[in-house]
Order: sequence, then C-alpha cells, then structure tokens
Amino acid sequence: GAVVSQHPSWVICKSGTSVKIECRSLDFQATTMFWYRQFPKQSLMLMATSNEGSKATYEQGVEKDKFLINHASLTLSTLTVTSAHPEDSSFYICSARAGGGGYEQYFGPGTRLTVT
Amino acid sequence: QKEVEQDPGPLSVPEGAIVSLNCTYSNSAFQYFMWYRQYSRKGPELLMYTYSSGNKEDGRFTAQVDKSSKYISLFIRDSQPSDSATYLCAMSGKSGGGADGLTFGKGTHLIIQP
Repeated sequence: GAVVSQHPSWVICKSGTSVKIECRSLDFQATTMFWYRQFPKQSLMLMATSNEGSKATYEQGVEKDKFLINHASLTLSTLTVTSAHPEDSSFYICSARAGGGGYEQYFGPGTRLTVT
Repeated sequence: QKEVEQDPGPLSVPEGAIVSLNCTYSNSAFQYFMWYRQYSRKGPELLMYTYSSGNKEDGRFTAQVDKSSKYISLFIRDSQPSDSATYLCAMSGKSGGGADGLTFGKGTHLIIQP
C-alpha cells in the first residue's frame, strides 16, 4: 500500500526558534498534500492544502507567514513552524493524495512538536 | 455548533459484540464520508469510504450514511481486541477529500475487552 513518512517523529524546541517537518510519499507521487494539526482530545484540523509547484492554500485562522509550506516535488512537502511558541505545541500530521482522480488520502505517522 | 460531532468515549465492549459508532454533522454540503482508524501516536488509516446516502459493507465493517438526518454510522461485527483504537469520522464536500481537505470528528476511543 501507499506509504507516507514524516520526519522527525518528535521534536522539542525552544520558544522563538523555527522547526521544519518533512512529509514524504515513499512509493507514489503525491500531487496534493495536506497538513493537519491535532491538539490533545481534539479533532484533526486541516491547516493547509499544497499542490506540487504552487503556493499552499491555508485554512481560515492559520497564519501563512508562521506556517511555511513548500511542496517542491511530487514526493516531498515541508512544513516550517517559524518563531515557535508553546501554544504551537501539537501533533502535526500530513496526508498525501496521488493523482489520477483517486480519493484516498494516505496519512503519515505524525510529528509531535513540543515548544518549551 | 461544531461541524462534526462525535462522542469521544471511551466505549468499552466485550469481544464478539457488535459495535456502533456514530457522527452527526451540520454542513449539508458534505457528500463524501469516511471512517478512519487511528492507533496511539500513529496516523489515521482509512477503513471505509461512502458517497452520499446509503450503506457499504466490507468484511466485518458496515458504513451507513443518512444525509436527511445528517447522521453517519460505522458498525463492527464480531469485534476483536485488535479493533481497539480511536475511530475518526471524516467528511468532505468535494471529490472524496481530494480537492478538499477533510473535516474530522474528535474520534471515539474504542476498547474491546478480551
């Protein structure tokens, strides 16, 4: 089956620093990737949608200058949390969708970010 | 009112029981409905996908959608301890979550007791 990986699986950083999270589709080409955030005991919340080679589309309330998304290739998307603060601590999950009209989104294992 | 409501549980049932998981939603634009299973510290795994109203069966799993009531269900027959996980409902207004991202419920934590 389609496999999506994320790196790192967990990261601790100090307030004010930036953190980059990678999302890779290992055995298929992902024309579209999605980034979600999940706080404890809460739903996964869509943050942004990115298509390869174009700018990401952010959901209402998500700061595009704070959460930088780059989808430079069909197998890699990155999310950079800039000037991280403790309230950015969360579980970040990406998903990838292959081209060809398929509907299924394949999710990565998630990255747990803790900002101290 | 949240777009998707799902009882977080925990729901604890004995092995072999029939499990019923449910979600309600408020956005009538949703047309594509999915159920995901998520184990602790893992990404969600797609279990079932349904378009519009109706039933869909896959092995021990049956998904039902009632758009008139804005209510979806997932039934698990002959439940096994390995079914213990968090079950998330998700829905989308466009092509099965392709063009749109998904709107998720909070997830129901299910425990199957051996």
